Order: sequence, then structure tokens, then C-alpha cells
Amino acid sequence: DAGVIQSPRHEVTEMGQEVTLRCKPISGHNSLFWYRQTMMRGLELLIYFNNNVPIDDSGMPEDRFSAKMPNASFSTLKIQPSEPRDSAVYFCASRGQGPEGYTFGSGTRLTVV
Amino acid sequence: AQSVSQHNHHVILSEAASLELGCNYSYGGTVNLFWYVQYPGQHLQLLLKYFSGDPLVKGIKGFEAEFIKSKFSFNLRKPSVQWSDTAEYFCAGTSGYSTLTFGKGTMLLVSP
Repeated sequence: DAGVIQSPRHEVTEMGQEVTLRCKPISGHNSLFWYRQTMMRGLELLIYFNNNVPIDDSGMPEDRFSAKMPNASFSTLKIQPSEPRDSAVYFCASRGQGPEGYTFGSGTRLTVV
Repeated sequence: AQSVSQHNHHVILSEAASLELGCNYSYGGTVNLFWYVQYPGQHLQLLLKYFSGDPLVKGIKGFEAEFIKSKFSFNLRKPSVQWSDTAEYFCAGTSGYSTLTFGKGTMLLVSP
């Protein structure tokens, strides 16, 4: 299994631009999570999906952030417009049935200048 | 509210020293606990997990953790650390099928 796959690994963009982060969960996993990691705030859960349906998006910081999961093998996190304070590492994780731990992707390091 | 707290933000040890990182949780009922490690510039990897049964859990790379229900604790231990153990360590917990709650993390620096 290739694990959770995220792209791109690094993204540098100018303030105001749209940014789209991508995630492919482990095949067969039915829950997908988007986290943001910063030095100041640590790991924050932004949103999670169960069977492709958004369950809790209370962690999404603002309306500039949106996430979709059109099918079981793909999810996107979009920031429009991006701001410098969005600079962080964004992790995607997936989980199968039962109370197993999450498997994390390698993350996308986003820098907004 | 469910929460996980880690006692130390930074720990500095010399090689061969023993390690214990504290973790406390506040959950009612069944609890599942995890320790993750994040090496510099990398993603989180699962070190070990506790669901039920033997409260002493052994993980990868010589790490172990002990679930002490009376103390609401799940401390991570290693008898002798190596320079390659330099990383950030996260304790996390979940109750049933709820989402995983992470502690703030402990940065471990092992000097050679």
C-alpha cells in the first residue's frame, strides 16, 4: 500500500492566489481528516469526512477555506484567497473501520508570501 | 470535554539516558490512546497504541507506554535514547469512534 498520498509536497504562492491541496487516502479507509500544523498552534483538525460526507468542519478557520471529497479516493482542501497567515504544513490522514489510529500523509508545506 | 495534555514542551537528553514523556487524558468510558512521532521535516508516524488488555504497550524502536487508568496517564518510555530519537512526540486519544485529539507535542532533543 502506498499510504496516504498528498500533493504537492511544497507550495509557495503569493497572497491572494488560490491554493488547492490534494489527498488520496488509503484504499478502503472510510474516514479522511485534514489537519494544519503550525509552531504556534500545533496540530489543528480542520475538517473530517466519513464515507465522503463532511461530518465536522468546525475547525475550518474561515470561509476562505473549503474542502471536498467527491469520491472515496480523493479529497481537496482549497484556500481562496490565500493569506500569509495560512502558511503551515497541511496534513491529510485516513482511518479505516474501528477505533484505529490514523495514517498520515507526508504533508504539504504551504508558504504564502 | 475530551482532551490530551503533555507535560513537557521540550526535553533535552544525552544519548543513553532514559526517557519518560508524560501524557494525561480526560475521557469518560472507553479510551484508545496513541503515541505518534514526527521526525524533523517528516509526517507523523504511529509509535504505539493502546486499546485494551495489557496496560504495558510495546511499540517500535524500543518505545513502550503504560496505561494507568487511576492516574489517567499514558506515559511514553525508552530505557536508552539515541541521537536518532530526536523528534517531536505527540500523545493522542479517542473515545470510541470519535476523532483523534492530539496533545501539543513534546520536542525531544538528544545530544550525541
